Amino acid sequence: SSELTQDPAVSVALGQTVRITCQGDSLRSYYASWYQQKPGQAPVLVIYGKNNRPSGIPDRFSGSSSGNTASLTITGAQAEDEADYYCNSRDSSGNHLNVVFGGGTKLTVL
Amino acid sequence: EVQLVESGGGLVQPGGSLRLSCAASGFTFSSYDMHWVRQATGKGLEWVSAIGTAGDTYYPGSVKGRFTISRENAKNSLYLQMNSLRAGDTAVYYCARVYCTGGVCYFDYWGQGTLVTVSS
Repeated sequence: SSELTQDPAVSVALGQTVRITCQGDSLRSYYASWYQQKPGQAPVLVIYGKNNRPSGIPDRFSGSSSGNTASLTITGAQAEDEADYYCNSRDSSGNHLNVVFGGGTKLTVL
Repeated sequence: EVQLVESGGGLVQPGGSLRLSCAASGFTFSSYDMHWVRQATGKGLEWVSAIGTAGDTYYPGSVKGRFTISRENAKNSLYLQMNSLRAGDTAVYYCARVYCTGGVCYFDYWGQGTLVTVSS
């Protein structure tokens, strides 16, 4: 079983704000990174570290963390944000090469 | 431009073996940790293996003892030797580069994936 837990599915109305969460003990010590995956495509990094966006990722994507929970927030969701989202972090060993993914959250934009 | 191109996927019988390759370009391959991540159809991402710059290797319990990750820096290549394959290993296999800064690590580049199908 995954050491990072995500809600399987979340929906948001077009233009509204949605938060996708990821829970796990390792998140008390390490930041999560977040990946967006659209059908038939490889994952794309959207958030890493405390709240960093790679070049090309819209500023409507943001990240936060509290206790054992990391969150990805999309402020003003767009139709093109409909995708699967995965969190990732180190596992309980703390070794940066031992990692785990959350089970993924399917985001539907209504 | 960073590129990761996987190859070697295909159909293999249960119990068989397969070797995946990942050709890297556009960066100093030897300076980066590398991973394999897989995804079964309709399922989530699953970490498969990692190799550090010093050649240290890591695996989850689901593949430990069956899969071997390796790298050949002179050829800018990453490999995954998969033995004793099972139906549950059927998935798209991605190679991915890890970037670490200030203790924060993340997958910044992914290949397009190669499909492995284990079936009789």
